[in-house]
Amino acid sequence: EDQVTQSPEALRLQEGESSSLNCSYTVSGLRGLFWYRQDPGKGPEFLFTLYSAGEEKEKERLKATLTKKESFLHITAPKPEDSATYLCAVLVAGNQFYFGTGTSLTVIP
Amino acid sequence: GAGVSQSPRYKVTKRGQDVALRCDPISGHVSLYWYRQALGQGPEFLTYFNYEAQQDKSGLPNDRFSAERPEGSISTLTIQRTEQRDSAMYRCASSLAGSNTEAFFGQGTRLTVV
Repeated sequence: EDQVTQSPEALRLQEGESSSLNCSYTVSGLRGLFWYRQDPGKGPEFLFTLYSAGEEKEKERLKATLTKKESFLHITAPKPEDSATYLCAVLVAGNQFYFGTGTSLTVIP
Repeated sequence: GAGVSQSPRYKVTKRGQDVALRCDPISGHVSLYWYRQALGQGPEFLTYFNYEAQQDKSGLPNDRFSAERPEGSISTLTIQRTEQRDSAMYRCASSLAGSNTEAFFGQGTRLTVV
């Protein structure tokens, strides 16, 4: 059975305190892994796509990495505006997306 | 359209009534997905289409839920004989099939069954 698990469920960081969010997956026929950011009351907004193990993508304070079993979203020197829920999703054969339950990040000034 | 559009944004209905939720995907997007999202949870897969063909409906909770996309564009998610447990945010997303691109989400429909 295809599964996507994110950890931790919630994370509180001081402004400037770097950390990582984890997304582990067990799927057959992975075609891509996607990171999204979701603000309260809004739909998920796309951040990154990773297609193969060893791949990395960066955007401002965020860096996503991928291995054969998991992906990490590294947040360097976060700011309060980075507070949001971060979702990962896997795209499998047939163009079907499965989402994890998300990590709720709070960055305290 | 410029983005994925869902309507209505909010729907309050009495238990036992039928509701129809509409999704208008981004123009040209082949794949269309329906999700249900509870507060504090990630999107839960319901069903999806490639063009007008429903590829997978395994996520639909029971036979009161159905979806269609008759012309390969706009989709309707219908819930018959609504129950209070159906209350949730229903989200639609679309993507370009075959090119491994990301899914773009609409703002969702907040359904409340009273």
